Amino acid sequence: GAGVSQTPSNKVTEKGKYVELRCDPISGHTALYWYRQSLGQGPEFLIYFQGTGAADDSGLPNDRFFAVRPEGSVSTLKIQRTERGDSAVYLCASSRSGTGGDEQFFGPGTRLTVL
Amino acid sequence: SQKIEQNSEALNIQEGKTATLTCNYTNYSPAYLQWYRQDPGRGPVFLLLIRENEKEKRKERLKVTFDTTLKQSLFHITASQPADSATYLCALDRGTSYGKLTFGQGTILTVHP
Repeated sequence: GAGVSQTPSNKVTEKGKYVELRCDPISGHTALYWYRQSLGQGPEFLIYFQGTGAADDSGLPNDRFFAVRPEGSVSTLKIQRTERGDSAVYLCASSRSGTGGDEQFFGPGTRLTVL
Repeated sequence: SQKIEQNSEALNIQEGKTATLTCNYTNYSPAYLQWYRQDPGRGPVFLLLIRENEKEKRKERLKVTFDTTLKQSLFHITASQPADSATYLCALDRGTSYGKLTFGQGTILTVHP
């Protein structure tokens, strides 16, 4: 079946602009995660959804970052007033149930560049 | 907070040899430890999971060990091939109810023909 998809694959924006990054998880997966990956580093946890609710948003760096998952499938990560330091690859992952030890399936990521 | 160190940024080996990658952590022992492979421009792909009460796990040419006393996991690829060249990430799951992962920085493995 189809894997996790993310759009756009690349996004270039100017400092101060607003961006939205989209994630389509694997159908039937209730758990959805967003991570951020800087060059030469491993992914860093941002937020976790179980169904429609954000169960853990402790990794969001500040209040410019917000994510939603209104119908329990597609999720959108929203970044307001972008800064150059927000430049990174944003990865989305989903898992079947979100319990400990569950395999996470990652999308290809969205590369965000803030000029 | 948990700190994870993967032994080196890059590892170069000859085809046919065994590649050994190290993942060390501080503080709490995770309930689960996972290894992922990441190719350039792609998201990580799950390879193996080992539980805190397991010493060793195998899958084809891959082997993972977990030593909670040393706070270390070793990841081995036997009979390595150039196609094994990629970045390998270890990830710790503390055992919360929802599988939140903390990743190491990764080791870039290059297998030379």
